[in-house]
Amino acid sequence: GAGVSQSPSNKVTEKGKDVELRCDPISGHTALYWYRQSLGQGLEFLIYFQGNSAPDKSGLPSDRFSAERTGGSVSTLTIQRTQQEDSAVYLCASSVGIGPYNEQFFGPGTRLTVL
Amino acid sequence: AQRVTQPEKLLSVFKGAPVELKCNYSYSGSPELFWYVQYSRQRLQLLLRHISRESIKGFTADLNKGETSFHLKKPFAQEEDSAMYYCALRSTGNQFYFGTGTSLTVIP
Repeated sequence: GAGVSQSPSNKVTEKGKDVELRCDPISGHTALYWYRQSLGQGLEFLIYFQGNSAPDKSGLPSDRFSAERTGGSVSTLTIQRTQQEDSAVYLCASSVGIGPYNEQFFGPGTRLTVL
Repeated sequence: AQRVTQPEKLLSVFKGAPVELKCNYSYSGSPELFWYVQYSRQRLQLLLRHISRESIKGFTADLNKGETSFHLKKPFAQEEDSAMYYCALRSTGNQFYFGTGTSLTVIP
């Protein structure tokens, strides 16, 4: 079946604009994660959703970042008033559930460039 | 605070030689550790997890709590092992902390 998909694959925006990044997880996966990968850095955890529980937003770097997951499926990561330091690859992953035996499946990422 | 350190950004070995990718962690609880791999033009994927005590593609990793390490090893490197490798730690709150990665090149 289809894996995790993300759109757009590339996004170039101007400083100060808002952007929305989309993630379609694997059908049936209850857990969904967002990560950010800046140049030369590892993956930085941003947020994760598990079923109908309130999301864990502890990794969001500022209040300009928000995410939602509608109907337990598609998720949107929104960055308001983008800054140049927001330029990075944003990765989404999903898993059947949570716990160490639940493998995360990653999407191809969205490369965001803020001019 | 939780932290995963991969001291080598780049690592080159000859085909057939042993390879070890280093990973050290800092975590106050009982750690759950993983290795992820990203081959050229492919997605990031799980390679192995310490709780499964598995060997995948000839790779193994042993959790050493005394040294807070989880090094990835393979006795005989192959060209197809060339990739980016990330060590990751899962917290009890289900957040994942990744290292900065090691780019492995296996020289024919």
